[in-house]
Amino acid sequence: GAGVSQSPRYKVAKRGQDVALRCDPISGHVSLFWYQQALGQGPEFLTYFQNEAQLDKSGLPSDRFFAERPEGSVSTLKIQRTQQEDSAVYLCASTSKVEGSYGYTFGSGTRLTVV
Amino acid sequence: AQSVTQLGSHVSVSEGALVLLRCNYSSSVPPYLFWYVQYPNQGLQLLLKYTSAATLVKGINGFEAEFKKSETSFHLTKPSAHMSDAAEYFCAVSFNDYKLSFGAGTTVTVRA
Repeated sequence: GAGVSQSPRYKVAKRGQDVALRCDPISGHVSLFWYQQALGQGPEFLTYFQNEAQLDKSGLPSDRFFAERPEGSVSTLKIQRTQQEDSAVYLCASTSKVEGSYGYTFGSGTRLTVV
Repeated sequence: AQSVTQLGSHVSVSEGALVLLRCNYSSSVPPYLFWYVQYPNQGLQLLLKYTSAATLVKGINGFEAEFKKSETSFHLTKPSAHMSDAAEYFCAVSFNDYKLSFGAGTTVTVRA
């Protein structure tokens, strides 16, 4: 597609519920990233994929967070047993380059509200 | 650890006035530097980037930024603010790897 597409745009989850957030990167982009943006803050790195390989998951806050990209294209971020502190905008980004000098293309994000 | 600091969480300017957003990074090694803009309920859009070529970088929408190694700064400027510039602006840094570290952001409001 023309840009990075994320769905759903908005998600309200009851505390304890599992959620799955989807990201469709730009076609052919090798690298895919997930970031978490809390209200009033800058985005924080969660995890990085190069094709289907998850090369860095050091930013995932807990073992309730899980990300996958099985075919090297679409990615899903799953949060189990959601907590109120998980409320944030989850941003997906992709780039055709591996190195960090290129800059990313970001999606519009999924706003997760845990009640 | 590398970090980036944006001075001023809110900036208010008059339409037609200079926009100046400050960003400083902490590192002994010049990083890659970026400015992103975020409009309400949207993702981040790349304004410009510094990747060790020219120190004065021109971006989209009339914005530019100057890399000053001696001051470890990468301030963003626009000579004449437009109402459409009202948004949140993020400075970000990368050290030749894949991660971006973002500042806390600066919200710009433009007064008519």
